Amino acid sequence: AQSVTQLGSHVSVSEGALVLLRCNYSSSVPPYLFWYVQYPNQGLQLLLKYTSAATLVKGINGFEAEFKKSETSFHLTKPSAHMSDAAEYFCAVSENTGFQKLVFGTGTRLLVSP
Amino acid sequence: DAMVIQNPRYQVTQFGKPVTLSCSQTLNHNVMYWYQQKSSQAPKLLFHYYDKDFNNEADTPDNFQSRRPNTSFCFLDIRSPGLGDAAMYLCATRIGAGGGKGTQYFGPGTRLTVL
Repeated sequence: AQSVTQLGSHVSVSEGALVLLRCNYSSSVPPYLFWYVQYPNQGLQLLLKYTSAATLVKGINGFEAEFKKSETSFHLTKPSAHMSDAAEYFCAVSENTGFQKLVFGTGTRLLVSP
Repeated sequence: DAMVIQNPRYQVTQFGKPVTLSCSQTLNHNVMYWYQQKSSQAPKLLFHYYDKDFNNEADTPDNFQSRRPNTSFCFLDIRSPGLGDAAMYLCATRIGAGGGKGTQYFGPGTRLTVL
């Protein structure tokens, strides 16, 4: 069975600081990996995805993530936080066959202070 | 723009009074999903359709039903809402047949309040 662990339910950074949100996964088959962002009272918006191509994936809004198979990690980073980045971030894993259901982590709330 | 639309965005119902939430998509995707998301939690999959094939999650209560009359529309029916059913309900779609590599596209959600 697949699973996702997001370390830290809350992460606080100052505007302009590096953002690092951690995600580790468990999967018995090569996975697809995703980061979604959710603003208050909104749906989930796809930030970026890893689907077995390049291990360094660039997404929207300046975010990127690196797939590290040896560490079973897919951490999300952004060099310089902006106030508008404050939101809930979900890491998710999907099998690359079958129903391709998404398994979500518990989410990390990013707080950005001026 | 192609998208996933959910109506209404906010729904208030009374305890035990049936309610229907609507989802439509212009992406022409094969797969449609319904998720329940409670406050400060991850989305929880209720069921999904692959075309007309319905797939229910094992722990989805019988109180929740779904209909998909055509490719574009999918409905979530809650037959007798309880206070514990108050949540954000998210619809998502995915292109089938191996395309899209598992990517799901979400609608804006419907916030359900049960009084």
